Amino acid sequence: KNQVEQSPQSLIILEGKNCTLQCNYTVSPFSNLRWYKQDTGRGPVSLTIMTFSENTKSNGRYTATLDADTKQSSLHITASQLSDSASYICVVRANTGNQFYFGTGTSLTVIP
Amino acid sequence: EAGVVQSPRYKIIEKKQPVAFWCNPISGHNTLYWYRQNLGQGPELLIRYENEEAVDDSQLPKDRFSAERLKGVDSTLKIQPAELGDSAVYLCASSHRAASSYNEQFFGPGTRLTVL
Repeated sequence: KNQVEQSPQSLIILEGKNCTLQCNYTVSPFSNLRWYKQDTGRGPVSLTIMTFSENTKSNGRYTATLDADTKQSSLHITASQLSDSASYICVVRANTGNQFYFGTGTSLTVIP
Repeated sequence: EAGVVQSPRYKIIEKKQPVAFWCNPISGHNTLYWYRQNLGQGPELLIRYENEEAVDDSQLPKDRFSAERLKGVDSTLKIQPAELGDSAVYLCASSHRAASSYNEQFFGPGTRLTVL
């Protein structure tokens, strides 16, 4: 069964600190993995996307890694800001048409 | 380029009433998705369209939910009658049909439904 699991479910960190979010998946055949940021009351917005051959991808203070062998990905946020408070969703696309599998998200709260 | 447009943004109705949501995808996007997102959860696919054809509606509760995309562009999702458990955010997304590995979904802001 194709699944995407994220951890932790929620996280509270101090402004300026770093944090890492985890994503494990069983989706096969794999096409790509994307991290989305979803602010409260908004739709998800793409942060990074990685295909099978890519191990890391950065977008400003966001760095995603992918280990296709172990089917694990992480999203590292550096020097967190209050505006980073949001839900972060890991989404894996199967290589069989336009099917996307969503994790349940990690709720991040950055406090001053 | 305009993004995915959804309306209304918020809807409050009493149970057993009907409700409809509208979505206008990004121009040129063949694939349209409707998702339901409960509080603290990731989106769950309700239905996926390729042009005007519903190619995946296995998770759509067909006894009360219906959707259409008559001209392969705009889409409407309807619930009749609504139940308390239908309270959620309904997200619409669109993407190119192309088989590119970087094929991306773009999401609308969602419609937050509250059933009283």
